[in-house]
Amino acid sequence: GAVVSQHPSRVICKSGTSVKIECRSLDFQATTMFWYRQFPKQSLMLMATSNEGSKATYEQGVEKDKFLINHASLTLSTLTVTSAHPEDSSFYICSALSYEQYFGPGTRLTVT
Amino acid sequence: GENVEQHPSTLSVQEGDSAVIKCTYSDSASNYFPWYKQELGKGPQLIIDIRSNVGEKKDQRIAVTLNKTAKHFSLHITETQPEDSAVYFCAASIDFGNEKLTFGTGTRLTIIP
Repeated sequence: GAVVSQHPSRVICKSGTSVKIECRSLDFQATTMFWYRQFPKQSLMLMATSNEGSKATYEQGVEKDKFLINHASLTLSTLTVTSAHPEDSSFYICSALSYEQYFGPGTRLTVT
Repeated sequence: GENVEQHPSTLSVQEGDSAVIKCTYSDSASNYFPWYKQELGKGPQLIIDIRSNVGEKKDQRIAVTLNKTAKHFSLHITETQPEDSAVYFCAASIDFGNEKLTFGTGTRLTIIP
């Protein structure tokens, strides 16, 4: 089956620094990838839709200048959390679209 | 936009019994309804999905039913096993899943041995 990986699986960073999360489709190409955020014991909330070769589409209330998304190839999308703050601590999950959405294992971000 | 409600939020079932989780959606344009299982610290895994041209779909112990008129769909797990314990999410999408998913609030299912 289709596999999506994320790196890193866990990251701890200091407040004010930036952190990059990678999402890769390992055995298929994905024109579209999605980035979700999940707070503890809550549902997945879509942050943005990432399309290869074009600008990402952000959901209402998501700051595009804070959450930078780059989808430079058909197998890689990156999410950079800039100037991270403790309230950005969350579980970030990507998915890649190929007939259905295949989800990555998630990245646990902790901002201290 | 789409709004998906899910009930119950928690469900405890004796091993071997059946579990039912229900979702309602608001956007009549939605035509793809997947169900995901999420274990602690992991990403969601698709367990079954249904498209709006079908009323019911079954895969071994898991089945999903869809009522387009009432805008609700349900997940049925029969002969539950301890490994079924997890959080389950329903979701809805237009364009048969080629667009963004709107997730329900989740159901924590606990199977009691």
